[in-house]
Amino acid sequence: GQNIDQPTEMTATEGAIVQINCTYQTSGFNGLFWYQQHAGEAPTFLSYNVLDGLEEKGRFSSFLSRSKGYSYLLLKELQMKDSASYLCAVYDSNYQLIWGAGTKLIIKP
Amino acid sequence: IAGITQAPTSQILAAGRRMTLRCTQDMRHNAMYWYRQDLGLGLRLIHYSNTAGTTGKGEVPDGYSVSRANTDDFPLTLASAVPSQTSVYFCASSDEGTSGYNEQFFGPGTRLTVL
Repeated sequence: GQNIDQPTEMTATEGAIVQINCTYQTSGFNGLFWYQQHAGEAPTFLSYNVLDGLEEKGRFSSFLSRSKGYSYLLLKELQMKDSASYLCAVYDSNYQLIWGAGTKLIIKP
Repeated sequence: IAGITQAPTSQILAAGRRMTLRCTQDMRHNAMYWYRQDLGLGLRLIHYSNTAGTTGKGEVPDGYSVSRANTDDFPLTLASAVPSQTSVYFCASSDEGTSGYNEQFFGPGTRLTVL
């Protein structure tokens, strides 16, 4: 079966750095997405990785290792508004998105 | 304002009733999707449409039907609602085939409770 694993919940301090991991086992791989979802709202796109390595976009970076079936989302200089769930999703061989359950990130002052 | 709209925002429904959730996008995206999101589970695909006039089944299609008469609208129908269909429903769209990746844009969601 297809599976995406993320930690259920993480806590971090305002101003700090946090890394949210995602491991996947899917039938094929055609790219990995990270989305942010604030409570009661729709998911919004953060990043896309299809090649190995680090993609940096402001305070957020996303890393991919296809050989290890692994990605992480790195959030720097955490702000209270970063409190949200972070969803990892993988395009399988049929270009269907397989979603992880999400990681709830709690930011404390 | 460009984007995706969904209606209703929330609904309480008696079991056995028929319900249609509406979804409209004005971005001229060719692909549209319906997901349900339940606590502790990832988004699960119910049905999708790659282009107007075609639809396909996702991971959890039973009890749901869709139609895609035109590019903009993608309604989801529950023929006879059951309590297990209590969930938050998200509609999404993407512009398949025109860029290196196909980011999905989501509507605000419909919170449905079936009693």
